[in-house]
Amino acid sequence: GPKVLQIPSHQIIDMGQMVTLNCDPVSNHLYFYWYKQILGQQMEFLVNFYNGKVMEKSKLFKDQFSVERPDGSYFTLKIQPTALEDSAVYFCASSGSSGNTLYFGEGSRLIVV
Amino acid sequence: GQQVQQSPASLVLQEGENAELQCNFSTSLNSMQWFYQRPGGSLVSLFYNPSGTKHSGRLTSTTVIKERRSSLHISSSQTTDSGTYLCALERGNNRIFFGDGTQLVVKP
Repeated sequence: GPKVLQIPSHQIIDMGQMVTLNCDPVSNHLYFYWYKQILGQQMEFLVNFYNGKVMEKSKLFKDQFSVERPDGSYFTLKIQPTALEDSAVYFCASSGSSGNTLYFGEGSRLIVV
Repeated sequence: GQQVQQSPASLVLQEGENAELQCNFSTSLNSMQWFYQRPGGSLVSLFYNPSGTKHSGRLTSTTVIKERRSSLHISSSQTTDSGTYLCALERGNNRIFFGDGTQLVVKP
């Protein structure tokens, strides 16, 4: 079936450095999402993105976070600078349109030390 | 407050037993989706079911909009069914809310 690819699958980074998480969504999908899940906790919505713009973001989407999808390539989540509390698994998802099936990637496990 | 509530929070079964997982929501919805989260964390979409009943192998999902609930039934459970089951509610504006999940353990 359709697949969302996330790169990297794991990353360890020093606090204060920048990290970019990459998501290759399902081809022809138009809506993109990032979610954050701290180990053992609920998956939390971060942001959704459509037509080159952020549509909505949660309070977890701090000023240090940014998303973009330049020229239809990867949909990226950038964190600059990183903080210890950013350690989590970040899931990317895409859907064809509002109300359609959401497809998730396998997650990118970020460890900030 | 919590828009999506799942129950039970955890469930332990013997292999072969059936399971009924519930998802209750407090708002109107655009869609309802069930996911299985593997112990390693990755997600698998099980059902996209905004209303009615859908079947897939040993799994059945039923969403009753006017009662604001959705259920996931697992029949003849297997040890490989162990993991976390999440329901997700989408309202308009592509905002999707997840429940806290049901942690299922199936013992041999």
